Amino acid sequence: NAGVMQNPRHLVRRRGQEARLRCSPMKGHSHVYWYRQLPEEGLKFMVYLQKENIIDESGMPKERFSAEFPKEGPSILRIQQVVRGDSAAYFCASSPRGGPYQETQYFGPGTRLLVL
Amino acid sequence: DQQVKQNSPSLSVQEGRISILNCDYTNSMFDYFLWYKKYPAEGPTFLISISSIKDKNEDGRFTVFLNKSAKHLSLHIVPSQPGDSAVYFCAASNSGYALNFGKGTSLLVTP
Repeated sequence: NAGVMQNPRHLVRRRGQEARLRCSPMKGHSHVYWYRQLPEEGLKFMVYLQKENIIDESGMPKERFSAEFPKEGPSILRIQQVVRGDSAAYFCASSPRGGPYQETQYFGPGTRLLVL
Repeated sequence: DQQVKQNSPSLSVQEGRISILNCDYTNSMFDYFLWYKKYPAEGPTFLISISSIKDKNEDGRFTVFLNKSAKHLSLHIVPSQPGDSAVYFCAASNSGYALNFGKGTSLLVTP
């Protein structure tokens, strides 16, 4: 029973390039959450998606960041025109149900983005 | 606006003894609390959770206590083992929505 899968595990981009991070939830899970962890910090919520719907994007920066979870395929977190401050670990989590149920979120291994 | 706080960045405990990790929160709307364990370069691994309708939940060596009036929860690990050495994150949510994480406590269990 595969867990949450993320790829790539490591991504290096130069300033101004685009970064695409992919997340495949656990089997049977239809709710996906993205979090970012800066060095020496806890994880910060970015966005919560269900298939084809963004439920809560209150943690997403207003510019350059977008997320989707299409009907088929993985969830994608896209960062356009990356800057050095985007360097962080990006974690995806999934749950079988989301709000308003008390569900445990299971995390993937993360994508470590380094912007040169 | 850190709504979940873990005030001890690190903790060192001898093998076989009890480890107690603490967490405080400020948002009274939180109704579900979780503890995750994290190794370097890996994702957080779920350990144990507790609903706000309970004050204790136990799973093997791990017990979580919730004191709603004090907005405080704690994770007890008994007995502690060297393999428990990791960073422990406390997280809280309002019924299935975003998790709010503390900054973590680094636990070192020494032989």
